[in-house]
Amino acid sequence: DTGVSQDPRHKITKRGQNVTFRCDPISEHNRLYWYRQTLGQGPEFLTYFQNEAQLEKSRLLSDRFSAERPKGSFSTLEIQRTEQGDSAMYLCASSSTPGGNTGELFFGEGSRLTVL
Amino acid sequence: AQSVAQPEDQVNVAEGNPLTVKCTYSVSGNPYLFWYVQYPNRGLQFLLKYITGDNLVKGSYGFEAEFNKSQTSFHLKKPSALVSDSALYFCAVRDGTNDYKLSFGAGTTVTVRA
Repeated sequence: DTGVSQDPRHKITKRGQNVTFRCDPISEHNRLYWYRQTLGQGPEFLTYFQNEAQLEKSRLLSDRFSAERPKGSFSTLEIQRTEQGDSAMYLCASSSTPGGNTGELFFGEGSRLTVL
Repeated sequence: AQSVAQPEDQVNVAEGNPLTVKCTYSVSGNPYLFWYVQYPNRGLQFLLKYITGDNLVKGSYGFEAEFNKSQTSFHLKKPSALVSDSALYFCAVRDGTNDYKLSFGAGTTVTVRA
């Protein structure tokens, strides 16, 4: 399968712990996005990368959230000192730049975070 | 700011009947409009988009959507619904400037009964 893959699919953690999610985009895609989806809501944009450059991160929810894409391939999203309000589905998507310009994103199945 | 409203949380139709999922949008400048579908335990899948041109756009699985600028709407339609169309549907918009950020509606759950 050459789609977007995310790992882990489900993470249960205790409040205050750090968690990290990994996303492997479609290999030829140079853009990678992170979204968050809570129950009953649509995906909410968090940040995106073009190659290894993080071009927009103002929508990250707090300074506890950080993302990296060190070699322009896979990306990680880290949440430090998790809070119960962080419980959500974290979605990764990728696109090629022409696709990015017209909005066709390819989404992974998401990583569900549960903070106890 | 850009935003999308999907006024119906749920739509229920009988198989073989027409299906319509409503979406209205707000954006500065020309809108780029999209529909995505999410099946249980699956990632969001792109259905169709409107960028410019013909107001009626056709997409995957027999879906189409009509762009109406005066009503700022982009309703999703299918002439004859299938049970397999039961899923969660999201409308999304972006403006012409920030080509990286899609704003999604809250979603509409479609149930097609046999």
